[in-house]
Amino acid sequence: AQKITQTQPGMFVQEKEAVTLDCTYDTSDPSYGLFWYKQPSSGEMIFLIYQGSYDQQNATEGRYSLNFQKARKSANLVISASQLGDSAMYFCAMRKLPPKAAGNKLTFGGGTRVLVKP
Amino acid sequence: KAGVTQTPRYLIKTRGQQVTLSCSPISGHRSVSWYQQTPGQGLQFLFEYFSETQRNKGNFPGRFSGRQFSNSRSEMNVSTLELGDSALYLCASSLSQGSGANVLTFGAGSRLTVL
Repeated sequence: AQKITQTQPGMFVQEKEAVTLDCTYDTSDPSYGLFWYKQPSSGEMIFLIYQGSYDQQNATEGRYSLNFQKARKSANLVISASQLGDSAMYFCAMRKLPPKAAGNKLTFGGGTRVLVKP
Repeated sequence: KAGVTQTPRYLIKTRGQQVTLSCSPISGHRSVSWYQQTPGQGLQFLFEYFSETQRNKGNFPGRFSGRQFSNSRSEMNVSTLELGDSALYLCASSLSQGSGANVLTFGAGSRLTVL
């Protein structure tokens, strides 16, 4: 079974500073994908970034980067130059990939609430 | 391009009633998944449909059911509601199943309150 752990329930960050959100995972599957989603108070989950287990380079998407350390089973999200609009819940999630893919089922961590201070 | 649309956004029911939630995926998306989000249990996978067939099911009682129509729209139903069913129900759609960076796009959710 897959398990995602986010150890930081909440954190404050100063506007324009960088913040790192921790995510560790546990799986016996050889191939998997790791995702980060943002959930503002409106409730909608917004996709941020994806990292495949066999990807050689860490993923980046604008101000978001994923610090993937496969041996340590960690996939931390780094948000650079925080903005007030970054205040939200952030979820790390995992999915099996072929050949053991189980459709699109995502296993989520408990989330980290980020509050950006002006 | 329209996103994932969930209706209704908010609803209040009483114990013992049943409820039906609707999800219209992004045009062209054939996979629809449902998740339940509660403060205590977090985000939990309910089920997934692809081309009108249930392809995957989470660990929920039989009171939770769903279906997908030929136009990929999906509904989920909860019968004999219990207080613990109060939650945000999120629907997500995607183009295909399980390959690589296939991204799930979520709707804004249906917030169910059971009294």
